[in-house]
Amino acid sequence: QKEVEQNSGPLSVPEGAIASLNCTYSDRVSQSFFWYRQYSGKSPELIMSIYSNGDKEDGRFTAQLNKASQYVSLLIRDSQPSDSATYLCAVNNDYKLSFGAGTTVTVRA
Amino acid sequence: DAGVTQSPTHLIKTRGQQVTLRCSPISGHKSVSWYQQVLGQGPQFIFQYYEKEERGRGNFPDRFSARQFPNYSSELNVNALLLGDSALYLCASSLYRGTYEQYFGPGTRLTVT
Repeated sequence: QKEVEQNSGPLSVPEGAIASLNCTYSDRVSQSFFWYRQYSGKSPELIMSIYSNGDKEDGRFTAQLNKASQYVSLLIRDSQPSDSATYLCAVNNDYKLSFGAGTTVTVRA
Repeated sequence: DAGVTQSPTHLIKTRGQQVTLRCSPISGHKSVSWYQQVLGQGPQFIFQYYEKEERGRGNFPDRFSARQFPNYSSELNVNALLLGDSALYLCASSLYRGTYEQYFGPGTRLTVT
């Protein structure tokens, strides 16, 4: 079983719609959770961090965490063409980040 | 404030050679981690250094080594390069070790021929 799994893409959404990304993790003691955005040919950029159960909103992004279900999600509201990228879910266990393979999102005009 | 910097940006080496990659963390950050990312996959953890000591190591062979200097900058060394070492090498900076947010540099693209 992989440490971090993300829903397979690619995900295509129309401009202005909501993009929903999902992630599950295997280690119950994981304490912190992150979403990174990676444009093609670039390095990952941190866009959201979440540490406790519930929702966390930052602009058009909402991260949701459910530790009992070992589940993290990211919602992108009012999707824009500039949101087209690969989104990486990362789980921190003490010192290292474990990443999923990423979900590629394409926002079509 | 400057973000994480890495050098060089691109590098081409032949099999069997050695390579050194460099990283400078965000000012005030004391922890540096190294990751390898191959095409189509998420980054894989290689090392974490905090206060100049190795605090964690991923599942990579002994050909990979690293160190952190008193100014918190870091080097990653890879010996006896293999074709499979071709990847994007990422350095990430965080305030301390542990569950803190990690910020990535632009990466070094290594191609082994």
